[in-house]
Amino acid sequence: AQKITQTQPGMFVQEKEAVTLDCTYDTSDPSYGLFWYKQPSSGEMIFLIYQGSYDQQNATEGRYSLNFQKARKSANLVISASQLGDSAMYFCAILPPRTYKYIFGTGTRLKVLA
Amino acid sequence: NAGVTQTPKFQVLKTGQSMTLQCAQDMNHNSMYWYRQDPGMGLRLIYYSASEGTTDKGEVPNGYNVSRLNKREFSLRLESAAPSQTSVYFCASSEVGRRKNIQYFGAGTRLSVL
Repeated sequence: AQKITQTQPGMFVQEKEAVTLDCTYDTSDPSYGLFWYKQPSSGEMIFLIYQGSYDQQNATEGRYSLNFQKARKSANLVISASQLGDSAMYFCAILPPRTYKYIFGTGTRLKVLA
Repeated sequence: NAGVTQTPKFQVLKTGQSMTLQCAQDMNHNSMYWYRQDPGMGLRLIYYSASEGTTDKGEVPNGYNVSRLNKREFSLRLESAAPSQTSVYFCASSEVGRRKNIQYFGAGTRLSVL
């Protein structure tokens, strides 16, 4: 069965520094999609970045980038130049092929310090 | 552009009462989902609808029913609420089959069952 693991329940980072949030997954399928979402204290789920398992390059979206290592089954989110507004919960998710069932990790709470 | 709209935002029920959570999306997506979010457990899929006219169970369907009223609307019903159903409920939609399959979420419904 597919599974997502986020081992860091909480992280701190100094403002303007970079931070890496870990995500590992377990799937036997060669084709899948990986997603990161941000959930600020207001509660909404905001899509950040997507990585397809066959994508040749690591995904980037502004200050967000994915360190995708397919052989290690990891898709770590890198946030560069952290801002106070980056303080939130971050969720990693996987969508296996031929299914509509997204699987979410338990999340990492990031606190950016001034 | 509203995206995914959920109502109500907050609700308090007594044990045994029933209620329906409403969800509508204006992105012409085929697939819609209901999740619950509990502390420390991430998002868990309750039910999903791959397309208009179909619904399927997710990870935690017991105690819930759903109706895909049309392509835009997907409702979640609690027939006899229990304290264990106290949670935050999210509706989401996506276009599975497109390359990225990104899910877009509503703002959530915070439900307390006393």
